[in-house]
Amino acid sequence: DSGVTQTPKHLITATGQRVTLRCSPRSGDLSVYWYQQSLDQGLQFLIQYYNGEERAKGNILERFSAQQFPDLHSELNLSSLELGDSALYFCASSVGQGSHEQYFGPGTRLTVT
Amino acid sequence: GENVEQHPSTLSVQEGDSAVIKCTYSDSASNYFPWYKQELGKRPQLIIDIRSNVGEKKDQRIAVTLNKTAKHFSLHITETQPEDSAVYFCAASKGSNYQLIWGAGTKLIIKP
Repeated sequence: DSGVTQTPKHLITATGQRVTLRCSPRSGDLSVYWYQQSLDQGLQFLIQYYNGEERAKGNILERFSAQQFPDLHSELNLSSLELGDSALYFCASSVGQGSHEQYFGPGTRLTVT
Repeated sequence: GENVEQHPSTLSVQEGDSAVIKCTYSDSASNYFPWYKQELGKRPQLIIDIRSNVGEKKDQRIAVTLNKTAKHFSLHITETQPEDSAVYFCAASKGSNYQLIWGAGTKLIIKP
């Protein structure tokens, strides 16, 4: 167990809908990263937050947004869902300053039908 | 920007033999190189990492080597076992945001 939690574990929804994925980082970690992993694919970096502020952006679609709250948990919002958005979404956390090690949560499997 | 290439994409080895996975990176300022193991349907897990001031690091049956001049690093697994079957990802990092640039992954298959 990495100490990073993600909810829900599974999500099934229809095209056009909007969902929110939640992540709680390890105790003491200030940075949160979101990744998308489609079937049998690599890890696509979406976005990073550090202590409530956006730090880096990757290949995140305009239909997707995220935020990190004062208690350091983070939410990834996916809207106008398409079939191609079906994937595993991972959250990872790290201490932030002075540390590169990222620890992953168990992921949320999103299925868009 | 930074790019990390990983080879091979699939590696099949006999149980008990060694496996080597290689990654090359483009940005000479990269200074941190982790390896993650991902079993089917599970989270990526950090198994070993190396920093640019070190040439080699070992942890039991796994080792990582770094060649800064050639800008490549490798994962070595000795005496492979069935539980080593997984996808392995390399990554490289530098700079203030500590973002990881990921390789595409290697599927390691251990044949009994």
